[in-house]
Amino acid sequence: DAGVIQSPRHEVTEMGQEVTLRCKPISGHDYLFWYRQTMMRGLELLIYFNNNVPIDDSGMPEDRFSAKMPNASFSTLKIQPSEPRDSAVYFCASTAGAVNEQYFGPGTRLTVT
Amino acid sequence: SQQGEEDPQALSIQEGENATMNCSYKTSINNLQWYRQNSGRGLVHLILIRSNEREKHSGRLRVTLDTSKKSSSLLITASRAADTASYFCATDETGTASKLTFGTGTRLQVTL
Repeated sequence: DAGVIQSPRHEVTEMGQEVTLRCKPISGHDYLFWYRQTMMRGLELLIYFNNNVPIDDSGMPEDRFSAKMPNASFSTLKIQPSEPRDSAVYFCASTAGAVNEQYFGPGTRLTVT
Repeated sequence: SQQGEEDPQALSIQEGENATMNCSYKTSINNLQWYRQNSGRGLVHLILIRSNEREKHSGRLRVTLDTSKKSSSLLITASRAADTASYFCATDETGTASKLTFGTGTRLQVTL
């Protein structure tokens, strides 16, 4: 198995631009998570899905952030418009079942200038 | 907000020594997990301990859990340079089984 796949690995964009991060979970996993990691705030859960349905989006910082999971093998996290404070590493993770280890992707390092 | 606080924030030891990291959390939990993160990489799961367990072993790793003190420790025995990484505890609160809250992490440096 290729593991959790994220793209792009690095993204540099200007303030105000739309940014779309992509994730392909491990086949057969029914939970998908989006996290953000910064030095100041550590690792924060943004949103998670179960069977493609958003379960908890309380960690999404504001309306500029949105996430979708149109099918079991693909999810996107979109930021529109982006701001410099959105600069962080964004991780996608997946797992099978509610109480199990999570498998993390390599992350997308986002820089907003 | 972060559920777990880890101690120490940074730890530097020599190869062959043992490394102990501690994690404290605030609420009742179902399980506690430990993850490792190498620089520039995603997190990798190490071990999961359930709330009704007190100790668990996996290779050179030993994890303890004290629910009365809301704390856990991770011991890495006979450390190697390859153990250099950041280590995070993660808890899932009672009633929110799949939602993990990560601690602040301990940066471990193992020197030759």
